[in-house]
Amino acid sequence: SQTIHQWPATLVQPVGSPLSLECTVEGTSNPNLYWYRQAAGRGLQLLFYSVGIGQISSEVPQNLSASRPQDRQFILSSKKLLLSDSGFYLCAWGVDGNSPLHFGNGTRLTVT
Amino acid sequence: GENVEQHPSTLSVQEGDSAVIKCTYSDSASNYFPWYKQELGKRPQLIIDIRSNVGEKKDQRIAVTLNKTAKHFSLHITETQPEDSAVYFCAASKGSGGFKTIFGAGTRLFVKA
Repeated sequence: SQTIHQWPATLVQPVGSPLSLECTVEGTSNPNLYWYRQAAGRGLQLLFYSVGIGQISSEVPQNLSASRPQDRQFILSSKKLLLSDSGFYLCAWGVDGNSPLHFGNGTRLTVT
Repeated sequence: GENVEQHPSTLSVQEGDSAVIKCTYSDSASNYFPWYKQELGKRPQLIIDIRSNVGEKKDQRIAVTLNKTAKHFSLHITETQPEDSAVYFCAASKGSGGFKTIFGAGTRLFVKA
């Protein structure tokens, strides 16, 4: 069966520090991969999605970037965090646009 | 760009009553409409979905209806229970153009015992 791993679960980082969140999927090939961010009490904002290795589409211009170095690995990065980057970051995978998304457990990021 | 609007933002019902959450979408090419439930501090999980070739789908106490002409879809929960309390998200996606899934802002449902 397919599983999705996301880490770390929680992270506290100072303003201006770098960020790297990692997500890996097992049990499926060539998944579509997604990064969403959820501010406290708010909805799910799509940040990046990828339909294949090295293919990244950005939905929101900001100081975050994403990379997909391997088929089942998706990484969210920042060179310098802002206070506004705090939130709950969710990685997800899907088969196509006609199928549900499967979310990881999320990373709660607090920028201080 | 694509947009999904969801109402109400908060809904409080008495246990046993019904709850209805409504969504509208902007991209007429959308053809897949899932609903997710998110409990506090946890990840969203799919509870029901509907595709554009179907007008209604039911699974025990939950049902979803879709009106493609009006670009509306709704979630209906009957005989609500306290464990139904959570945030519910509607979403819309399409099988082309990158397979993006766009979410509504969410509805916080409180079921009072």
